[in-house]
Parts: sequence; structure tokens; C-alpha cells
Amino acid sequence: DIQMTQSPSSLSASVGDRVTITCRASQSISSYLNWYQQKPGKAPKLLIYTASSLQSGVPSRFSGSGSGTDFILTISSLQPEDFATYFCQQSYSTPRTFGQGTKLEIK
Amino acid sequence: QVQLVQSGAEVRKPGASVKVSCKVSEYGFALTELSMHWVRQARGKGLEWMGGFDPEDGETIYAQKFQGRVTMTEDSSTDTAYMELSSLRSEDTAVYYCAIEVEYSRSLDYWGQGTLVTVSS
Repeated sequence: DIQMTQSPSSLSASVGDRVTITCRASQSISSYLNWYQQKPGKAPKLLIYTASSLQSGVPSRFSGSGSGTDFILTISSLQPEDFATYFCQQSYSTPRTFGQGTKLEIK
Repeated sequence: QVQLVQSGAEVRKPGASVKVSCKVSEYGFALTELSMHWVRQARGKGLEWMGGFDPEDGETIYAQKFQGRVTMTEDSSTDTAYMELSSLRSEDTAVYYCAIEVEYSRSLDYWGQGTLVTVSS
């Protein structure tokens, strides 16, 4: 199985900050990397697919980059509604696997 | 507006089974043309993929952890997918989500609202 490792596991930041979250795969997954945002009590929401494609309706302050084993989610200027937990997921092979999550909190 | 509407919360005793439903509407495709996946999340924990339909193989693939205990089925007449988990134990207490994986990107674009399954004696 492909292991996905996110860092950091938690992060404190302020409104307006630029934030980056890293996801590393245990083997190459090409660009089959997706990012999700989850708020308490809600289902995850797709933000970025195939590493760098912005899902329709997602604000342009979210961006993704990377290929192979190393990937980054960037939020260019944090907004109050961005405080949530973020998960990466590889869809290169089955079983699909998720990172452990990064909880983004208000400083 | 694609909607996945899941069945309500369930409480089961250890050793029992549970069947969660997920009705798809407004997608524009028949359920048989979709790749439905199931993901669960224990309270305060991360997302765990349980299984889903692989269009390349034309079959449903289950995570090894759940092999022999989980069955994912579909009723095309009602556009409803089901996930049945048997031999329940307390560690299976979680919110269970259905989600549609879009073929070209293999991303989980649409999610149900989640169903809480509680396993307790």
C-alpha cells in the first residue's frame, strides 16, 4: 500500500497569512494526488485534483503543486473560513490512501 | 446539483451487521456508470478508504482490512448504493461516507452527508 505522510499535523496561523501543507507519498504516484478540506461535522470537500487542478467553485487562493512523491497545498492569504482540517489522498492505485490530516487553527 | 443522500444513524451490538444506503440524484448518469467509493472516519481521526468500484477492472475493490466483512452493492432501479459491514466491533464506530470518484481525475468529487454507526453493547 502507498503511505501518505502529511506535515505538519497541526498549524496555527493568522488571517492573511500564506500557508503551505506538504504531502509525501511512499512511492511515485505521478500526479494522482487530491486535496480535501473538512470542517467539523461536515463531509470532506474536494479542493484540488491531479495535484494542481482547482476544483470548480474553489477560491483561487488555494493552489497545489508537485508530482512524483512530493506535493504542496498552498493557501495564499488565509480567510476565516479556511480554518479546517486538510487531507491529501493518492488515487494512483488501490487501496486509495489518505494522509493523516493537517488541522489549521487560528493563531 | 448532484446529491448523495445517506440513510440515518444506526446503533448495533458487537457481532451484528449494518447496511448503509446512499441514494444518488441529479447526477445525469445512471448509478451503474459511476464509481462509488466508501470512506469512514472515527471520531477525531482521519479518513479511511474502505473500497470502491474500479472501472479499469470492472469490479469493486475492498481494502484488505475489510476483506470478508464488507460488501458494496448497487440497486440501479433506485440509483442507490449500499455498504454492508458485518461482525461489527467497537472499533467500527465511525461516520461512514459514500463518495463518487470521477474517472478522469480519480478524485472524490461528490460526497454524502455521512452516516454515524455506533457499535456498543
